[in-house]
Amino acid sequence: AQRVTQPEKLLSVFKGAPVELKCNYSYSGSPELFWYVQYSRQRLQLLLRHISRESIKGFTADLNKGETSFHLKKPFAQEEDSAMYYCALSGGSNYKLTFGKGTLLTVNP
Amino acid sequence: NAGVTQTPKFRVLKTGQSMTLLCAQDMNHEYMYWYRQDPGMGLRLIHYSVGEGTTAKGEVPDGYNVSRLKKQNFLLGLESAAPSQTSVYFCASSYLGSSGYTFGSGTRLTVV
Repeated sequence: AQRVTQPEKLLSVFKGAPVELKCNYSYSGSPELFWYVQYSRQRLQLLLRHISRESIKGFTADLNKGETSFHLKKPFAQEEDSAMYYCALSGGSNYKLTFGKGTLLTVNP
Repeated sequence: NAGVTQTPKFRVLKTGQSMTLLCAQDMNHEYMYWYRQDPGMGLRLIHYSVGEGTTAKGEVPDGYNVSRLKKQNFLLGLESAAPSQTSVYFCASSYLGSSGYTFGSGTRLTVV
């Protein structure tokens, strides 16, 4: 079975502060990890995937297989980063995504 | 290039009524999925399809049926709506690979 845990439902930071959204996973095989972002009442958008090791909108995430984590980080938060963030795991041949329950990030001015 | 289109965007149903949600994608994706999004619960997979003519159950399939008669369309049906099915429904599709999903804009369903 695959499981994704996002321990923080809510995270509030001030503009310019560093932000880290935590994600831990459970999967017996070799997973693929993603971060999705959902701005207010919009569709989910792919933010990052671990295989591409890219930085989008200043966000980065590193897969740590030893700690089974895929935390999302940004050194300087911006107000436009306020959104719901979902960590997701894909395992197996049918490419099903298992989502965490999400973290609502609020960046205060 | 529309991507993934869901219709309708909003709907209010009475308990016991039926309805069908339509998801259409124009990206020639093999895989399609229906999720429901509820506060504090994240997204939960209802049903999915790995190709035309195939369907499979996800995490929360009870009370829903699906069909994939054409590759580009994935229909989600509620035969007898219940208040517990009040939710936001998202459709997604993916190519045969690890590129992640493309989501639709969602259908906000209220069952009274």
